[in-house]
Parts: sequence; C-alpha cells; structure tokens
Amino acid sequence: GIQVEQSPPDLILQEGANSTLRCNFSDSVNNLQWFHQNPWGQLINLFYIPSGTKQNGRLSATTVATERYSLLYISSSQTTDSGVYFCAVGDFQGAQKLVFGQGTRLTINP
Amino acid sequence: DAGVTQSPTHLIKTRGQQVTLRCSPISGHKSVSWYQQVLGQGPQFIFQYYEKEERGRGNFPDRFSARQFPNYSSELNVNALLLGDSALYLCASSLRRWSYNEQFFGPGTRLTVL
Repeated sequence: GIQVEQSPPDLILQEGANSTLRCNFSDSVNNLQWFHQNPWGQLINLFYIPSGTKQNGRLSATTVATERYSLLYISSSQTTDSGVYFCAVGDFQGAQKLVFGQGTRLTINP
Repeated sequence: DAGVTQSPTHLIKTRGQQVTLRCSPISGHKSVSWYQQVLGQGPQFIFQYYEKEERGRGNFPDRFSARQFPNYSSELNVNALLLGDSALYLCASSLRRWSYNEQFFGPGTRLTVL
C-alpha cells in the first residue's frame, strides 16, 4: 500500500520563528490533507490540497503531486501552533481511505 | 452547522468486555469512516460505510464490527477487548464514498482497556 513519511518527527522553535514541515508519499494520490491535532485529540482540518498552493493566514501549503511531496509552512509561530501535524493522503486502490504519516510534533516556546 | 459528533468522550473497560462507540456525521454527509489511533502514531483506517453498506475494511480482526443507520450515523463495536485496543477512536465523515472527498473528523472517543 501507499506509504507516507513526514519530517522532521520533532521540531522545537521559539515564538516568532518560521517552520517547514514535509510530507513524502510513495504513489499517486487523489487527496492530500493536512491536519493539526489539538491536545484533546481532535484533528483540525488545515488544508485540502491534492495539488497546487493554498494560503490561510500564517499557514500555507504546497503539493507537488508529480514529485510526490507536500510542504506545510507556518510563519511567525505562536505558542498555540504547538501540537502534532499530520499529513494524510487518499488511497484510491481498494478501500477508499486516508493513509496518515507518523506526524510532526511541533513545540513553540515563548 | 454542527461538525462530526462522537460519544462517549471517554470510556474505561476491562479485558474481555464489549464496547459500542457512536458517531454522527456532518449533515448531508453520507460516508462515515472509523480510524484507530494508538499513542504516538498516526490514525489507522478500520472501516468505511456509505449508504448503510460496508465499503472498505482495514487490517483489523473480526472482533471489530460496525454499522450505519438510515440517518447516516454509525456505531463501532469491539468485542472481547484486549489491552492493545486502548486507543483514540476517530470518526470521519465525507460527502461521498471516494477517497478524494475531503474528510472531517470528530473529537474522538478515548478507550482505555484495563
């Protein structure tokens, strides 16, 4: 099945810094979503981005489907950005499901 | 509009017991999927239901079962609980059954098996 790798696994930054999270996937996909998991476990939708570039405030994302990677950019980090960020891709072979990476744990220190 | 809702929030069971988790999708969404997330890992796909039929199943034993009701809500049942079933169980809803549809997740049910 399709494999999803996220890097780095952990990232510690000071408030105000910028960060880039990467997601590599092993096969063609028809969906790519970025999520932020809050401390209570809920997955918050950040971007639905199977290809192209999107921006939402301080966050932006780019997916280059032909090269099988996606990047999530966070600018001017705030302590509330802390948490785990997941990339998930749509696997359209067999069960119609999302396949998740292992996540990047982001810690923003004041 | 209400998002995906799940109940209960937390649950504590002992080995060998059975548990039922509930999920209500976003209004208008017809597909419900269940995922299991153990500590330190990404969520793993368990089931997809669409129009009350099972449309996909992940690599989980037969102790796991689910169903979808005419109002598109869903229940996940786990029998003969094992310690390893302790996890966060997430429900996701989407408009249609296809994986290219954006999925939206509920707050989860945290299951602890003692």
